[in-house]
Amino acid sequence: GQNIDQPTEMTATEGAIVQINCTYQTSGFNGLFWYQQHAGEAPTFLSYNVLDGLEEKGRFSSFLSRSKGYSYLLLKELQMKDSASYLCAVLDSNYQLIWGAGTKLIIKP
Amino acid sequence: GAVVSQHPSRVICKSGTSVKIECRSLDFQATTMFWYRQFPKQSLMLMATSNEGSKATYEQGVEKDKFLINHASLTLSTLTVTSAHPEDSSFYICSAPYPAGGDNSPLHFGNGTRLTVT
Repeated sequence: GQNIDQPTEMTATEGAIVQINCTYQTSGFNGLFWYQQHAGEAPTFLSYNVLDGLEEKGRFSSFLSRSKGYSYLLLKELQMKDSASYLCAVLDSNYQLIWGAGTKLIIKP
Repeated sequence: GAVVSQHPSRVICKSGTSVKIECRSLDFQATTMFWYRQFPKQSLMLMATSNEGSKATYEQGVEKDKFLINHASLTLSTLTVTSAHPEDSSFYICSAPYPAGGDNSPLHFGNGTRLTVT
């Protein structure tokens, strides 16, 4: 079966750095996406990785290792507004998005 | 940028009534739209794929007679929850894939509809 694993919840301090991991086993791979979702709102796009390596976009970076079925989202200089759920999603061989359950990130002052 | 508009944002209805949710792509054509349901503290669950001009494709376990989908045009898809029950209370979100070349994101989401059935 297809499976995406990410931690249920993480806590970090304002101004710090946090890394949210995502591992996947899917039928084929056509890219991995990270979305941010605030409570009661629709997800918003953060990043897309299809090749191995690190993609940096401001305070957020995303890393992919296809051989390991592994990705992480790195958030730097954490702000209180970064408190949200972070969803990892993989596009499989049929171009269907397989969603992880999301990681709830709690930022403390 | 591309925008997907979803209405209403919140709706409260009585058990046994029907509710229609609209999803519009505002500046691009969407031959396909996806409908998701999300229960509290859970991930997005794909309910169905709506295809313009043809029948929707439903995921396993989703009742097509209960969740009616109509993709009437290249910019509009509707989801009607028929004979709603309290267990249908959820957050419903539509999304549409943006045409290649404009964005790296495969999906643009509507803002979601919070349905409460009393």
